[in-house]
Amino acid sequence: SQTIHQWPATLVQPVGSPLSLECTVEGTSNPNLYWYRQAAGRGLQLLFYSVGIGQISSEVPQNLSASRPQDRQFILSSKKLLLSDSGFYLCAWSRGGSSGNTIYFGEGSWLTVV
Amino acid sequence: SQQGEEDPQALSIQEGENATMNCSYKTSINNLQWYRQNSGRGLVHLILIRSNEREKHSGRLRVTLDTSKKSSSLLITASRAADTASYFCATVYYNTNAGKSTFGDGTTLTVKP
Repeated sequence: SQTIHQWPATLVQPVGSPLSLECTVEGTSNPNLYWYRQAAGRGLQLLFYSVGIGQISSEVPQNLSASRPQDRQFILSSKKLLLSDSGFYLCAWSRGGSSGNTIYFGEGSWLTVV
Repeated sequence: SQQGEEDPQALSIQEGENATMNCSYKTSINNLQWYRQNSGRGLVHLILIRSNEREKHSGRLRVTLDTSKKSSSLLITASRAADTASYFCATVYYNTNAGKSTFGDGTTLTVKP
């Protein structure tokens, strides 16, 4: 069976510090990978998605970047965090290639920038 | 925007009652999915309905899709306290292999025991 892990679960970082959130998927190959952000009481905003190693698409301009160094690894980064980067970050995956695939989410990472 | 919009934003019912949540969207879709999120957790997929389907059932869940009205509904029958959560619809369209999903702001359901 497939599993998705993301870490850390919670993070408190000062403004201007770097960020690295990691996500790995097991039990599948060549998945589509996603990073979403969720503001309190709101829906999910797609930040980045990737259809393969080194292939990253950004949905919104922001202070964040994403990388996919390996097939089942997706990393969300920032060089200098802003207060507005605080939120709940969710990594997700879906089966690659065909349409209409379910998206499977990790448990999320709470980021508080202080 | 493709974004689904759920209605109502919040719903409070007694255990045993049915809960109905609605979702509207603006443009063509390939499919629509409903997810559930317990507070502070990741989203869990509930059900997917394709654009050529009108109704789908899964246990106590019933989803309808009306593409002419660009709307969908999620019905939870005989609700339980454990159904308390936020429910999101996600519209999916394909112009890349990634099939990006666009989520609404959700309906927060409270089921009182």
